[in-house]
Amino acid sequence: GAGVSQSPSNKVTEKGKDVELRCDPISGHTALYWYRQSLGQGLEFLIYFQGNSAPDKSGLPSDRFSAERTGGSVSTLTIQRTQQEDSAVYLCASSSGTSRTDTQYFGPGTRLTVL
Amino acid sequence: AQTVTQSQPEMSVQEAETVTLSCTYDTSESDYYLFWYKQPPSRQMILVIRQEAYKQQNATENRFSVNFQKAAKSFSLKISDSQLGDAAMYFCACLYGGSQGNLIFGKGTKLSVKP
Repeated sequence: GAGVSQSPSNKVTEKGKDVELRCDPISGHTALYWYRQSLGQGLEFLIYFQGNSAPDKSGLPSDRFSAERTGGSVSTLTIQRTQQEDSAVYLCASSSGTSRTDTQYFGPGTRLTVL
Repeated sequence: AQTVTQSQPEMSVQEAETVTLSCTYDTSESDYYLFWYKQPPSRQMILVIRQEAYKQQNATENRFSVNFQKAAKSFSLKISDSQLGDAAMYFCACLYGGSQGNLIFGKGTKLSVKP
């Protein structure tokens, strides 16, 4: 079946604008993660959704960042009033189990550039 | 704080030769999981191999194997018979906090394979 997809592939925006990044997980996967990968860095956990449970938002860096997951499938990461330090690749992953030890399958990411 | 350290920003190997990528981690927990991910230029992270800390036997997946030294908190990846398609960024990651933790990633090692 299809893997995790993300859109757009690349996004260029001006400082202060809001952006929305979309993630389509693998069909049937109940868990969904968002990560941020800044230049020359490893991945940084942002948020975790599991089924209908309240999301784990412990990795969100500021209140300008938020995420939703509608109908237990598609997720949108929103960054308000973007800053230049928000420039990074944003990766989404999904997994089929209820444990965070289950294998995560990653999408190709969205490269966000804030001018 | 939990940390994962990859001390080799870049490595190079001749095709068909063997290369070892280093990773160390720091935790006082007894329940954790270790992973190696590959990120090719397409940006899509792919799980290479995983190791449960409670297992003494080193994990192996075809040409990929790990040397897990629990006392030394070391988790190196060995790639045998290197192929051109192995060229990528390799990230070591640790899942602390058992099944409720979040992945902590190292900064990565860029592997080049020379024909």
